[in-house]
Amino acid sequence: GAVVSQHPSRVICKSGTSVKIECRSLDFQATTMFWYRQFPKQSLMLMATSNEGSKATYEQGVEKDKFLINHASLTLSTLTVTSAHPEDSSFYICSAPATGQSRHEQFFGPGTRLTVL
Amino acid sequence: GNSVTQMEGPVTLSEEAFLTINCTYTATGYPSLFWYVQYPGEGLQLLLKATKADDKGSNKGFEATYRKETTSFHLEKGSVQVSDSAVYFCALSAAGSARQLTFGSGTQLTVLP
Repeated sequence: GAVVSQHPSRVICKSGTSVKIECRSLDFQATTMFWYRQFPKQSLMLMATSNEGSKATYEQGVEKDKFLINHASLTLSTLTVTSAHPEDSSFYICSAPATGQSRHEQFFGPGTRLTVL
Repeated sequence: GNSVTQMEGPVTLSEEAFLTINCTYTATGYPSLFWYVQYPGEGLQLLLKATKADDKGSNKGFEATYRKETTSFHLEKGSVQVSDSAVYFCALSAAGSARQLTFGSGTQLTVLP
């Protein structure tokens, strides 16, 4: 199947700094990508939908100024956690939907573990 | 709104045991239903799917049938292996949702030799 990569796989930062996470579709184009957050032993919570060429759509309760999303090209979406705090520590996962016959499927990145000290 | 309720874990089984992980959903219209699996240290992978009522998804010995009358999509496997140890997520994609997924809470499965 298609491959989605994320970088970095893990990052540790000090409180107050900003962290950028990249999500790339390696062998297909994605006009839409999704960003999820996963707390330990909990489910994935959709944070926002990243749209190439337009603004991201944020889920209720997600601060758009805190979690900046930029869909720079058909293969790249970035999530920037601004002025990170310890409560932002989490596992962030992106996904991109398939097209054509496999359009019901999504391909997930391996995730980025963020730890804010 | 849409929601997925999944059997809580963790579940521990011996190799070759029968597995059932219950999943029920709430959604408007006719959603597509999925089971995703997350192996240790890896990203989520699609295990199987069903896009309409009475469809049966199957893969790697796992099966799940889309039951609209009971709004369920239970995952089953007749004989689990140690390599099946992972976290399993039930999910739905509602009609007209731009393919956003709503996930259940996940069930940790550990299979002992």
